Amino acid sequence: DAGITQSPRHKVTETGTPVTLRCHQTENHRYMYWYRQDPGHGLRLIHYSYGVKDTDKGEVSDGYSVSRSKTEDFLLTLESATSSQTSVYFCAISGEFQRGDTQYFGPGTRLTVL
Amino acid sequence: AQSVSQHNHHVILSEAASLELGCNYSYGGTVNLFWYVQYPGQHLQLLLKYFSGDPLVKGIKGFEAEFIKSKFSFNLRKPSVQWSDTAEYFCAVNGNTGRRALTFGSGTRLQVQP
Repeated sequence: DAGITQSPRHKVTETGTPVTLRCHQTENHRYMYWYRQDPGHGLRLIHYSYGVKDTDKGEVSDGYSVSRSKTEDFLLTLESATSSQTSVYFCAISGEFQRGDTQYFGPGTRLTVL
Repeated sequence: AQSVSQHNHHVILSEAASLELGCNYSYGGTVNLFWYVQYPGQHLQLLLKYFSGDPLVKGIKGFEAEFIKSKFSFNLRKPSVQWSDTAEYFCAVNGNTGRRALTFGSGTRLQVQP
């Protein structure tokens, strides 16, 4: 398995509180991604990064921000959590921009917003 | 924008039955195609991928998939399923240019009965 860890693995929080999820990789891969998984929707892209300090939005980015100050870490922040952000969050990584490059996924963070 | 459709949301089979899960995508350019599997409580793992060459690709655990360009399809098959194949299966696509993030189908939950 690719060296990807996510923390925390489980979190319960209240509406309106800020939450930060961390993704850490040991593969020195350039590309990192945050997805959320919801029943009936598969995985949907929140934000992605194509290098240190280089990030861009995905399809469901509203209410989320990201930061990447080091190659190995990609942080996802919910500035003010809402119940609609209850989900399982997966981080993924991939290598250089080439055909067939594969994304490898972390173990996920289950977030519950009450 | 690209999209992926998985027509079977929940499939129930008996052990030794054959499996075929449908996947259709919409994208005008060259694509990379993937099937991922998620066992209960685990992260996504790559089953197989197609990016060029032989349209029949073989993956891990006896799975294979066939890319039919004219039908925009990438169906997953296994001749004889086992109870341990019980999982959720996701088809995903990314284009050959631009953002490298994956677009996922909504997933197919496979339940194999002993």
